[in-house]
Amino acid sequence: AQTVTQSQPEMSVQEAETVTLSCTYDTSESDYYLFWYKQPPSRQMILVIRQEAYKQQNATENRFSVNFQKAAKSFSLKISDSQLGDAAMYFCAYRSATNYGGSQGNLIFGKGTKLSVKP
Amino acid sequence: DTGVSQDPRHKITKRGQNVTFRCDPISEHNRLYWYRQTLGQGPEFLTYFQNEAQLEKSRLLSDRFSAERPKGSFSTLEIQRTEQGDSAMYLCASSAGGLTEAFFGQGTRLTVV
Repeated sequence: AQTVTQSQPEMSVQEAETVTLSCTYDTSESDYYLFWYKQPPSRQMILVIRQEAYKQQNATENRFSVNFQKAAKSFSLKISDSQLGDAAMYFCAYRSATNYGGSQGNLIFGKGTKLSVKP
Repeated sequence: DTGVSQDPRHKITKRGQNVTFRCDPISEHNRLYWYRQTLGQGPEFLTYFQNEAQLEKSRLLSDRFSAERPKGSFSTLEIQRTEQGDSAMYLCASSAGGLTEAFFGQGTRLTVV
């Protein structure tokens, strides 16, 4: 079974600075997707960034980028130029790319990292 | 379309009562997922539908839980004989297919007293 581990329950960053959130995962599959989701207080979860395991290039979305190390099964999120609106719970998630048997599209989440942004 | 909608947002119920939650997915999405999120944890998969067919259920989904998606549109999640351990946020998500982005609703927070 696949697992996702986020070892940082809480992180803090100064506004305009850079912060990196860590995520490791375990799987025997070779083809899968990894995601970072943001969950602001009392608001719905939204997708921040996704990475296909077959792609060597790290995904980037504006101020958000990932460091995907497939051999090490590591998937960290870097937030540059942090803003007050970045304060939220961040969840790392895994999804199998196979579409038969087993999990079919459902996400496996880590426990999350609570990010605080100091003005 | 305003996204995935869940109703109610909050529900307080007495132990032993039955509760039902509703989820309206994004209209063109054929996949619908239910997750449960307890305090300090990430969401855990409960079940999912492709159109009206319930294709997978987690072992977390005990016999007291039942989900339906009649006509492949909205979905309901019912919990019978609620227990205090059922207190959690119940999240619904939908996607246009198994390999596409899942969009989440705001969730229904259940408190069993």
